[in-house]
Amino acid sequence: GQNIDQPTEMTATEGAIVQINCTYQTSGFNGLFWYQQHAGEAPTFLSYNVLDGLEEKGRFSSFLSRSKGYSYLLLKELQMKDSASYLCAVRDIGGGGNKLTFGTGTQLKVEL
Amino acid sequence: DTGVSQDPRHKITKRGQNVTFRCDPISEHNRLYWYRQTLGQGPEFLTYFQNEAQLEKSRLLSDRFSAERPKGSFSTLEIQRTEQGDSAMYLCASSLVGETEAFFGQGTRLTVV
Repeated sequence: GQNIDQPTEMTATEGAIVQINCTYQTSGFNGLFWYQQHAGEAPTFLSYNVLDGLEEKGRFSSFLSRSKGYSYLLLKELQMKDSASYLCAVRDIGGGGNKLTFGTGTQLKVEL
Repeated sequence: DTGVSQDPRHKITKRGQNVTFRCDPISEHNRLYWYRQTLGQGPEFLTYFQNEAQLEKSRLLSDRFSAERPKGSFSTLEIQRTEQGDSAMYLCASSLVGETEAFFGQGTRLTVV
């Protein structure tokens, strides 16, 4: 089975940087995903890591350490519209297609 | 085609009734997934199709739940004899074989009263 942990809530200030951590345990790791979900809307894909290291995409970066079972999502130059839930998800070897196991999500609140 | 489409967006039903939801994936996407999401939780995998074949079902999917994708395009998810615990957002996603990203629809919010 899989176990994914991420903080329930975080608060940050507009213009600042925030790091959302995710730890996971899985029997056969085959990729880690980050999704953003605004209230009442569909999750939208942010990033994918399968090898160790940092993937950068504009204001968003995601880091993976497979040996530590650890990832983080880094959001820079925070904007009010970044207030949302951030979901960490893991894909397992032998899992069907892009079948993902999600964490409970981290609710990020960006304040002025 | 602008994305994954789900219908209806909202459904209120009485306990014991049957409900059916529809998902239209992105054209040409051969993989289709159903997830369930309750308030404050991440989505939970229910089942997935590759073309018309249902390749995996979660143990969360009791025998009251059935999903079909008869022509390998749209899919339906039926819940029989609904219970209050079935109240949730039902999300559909689609992807292409070999592609990393799965695209989610906006979901059907089911309320069982």
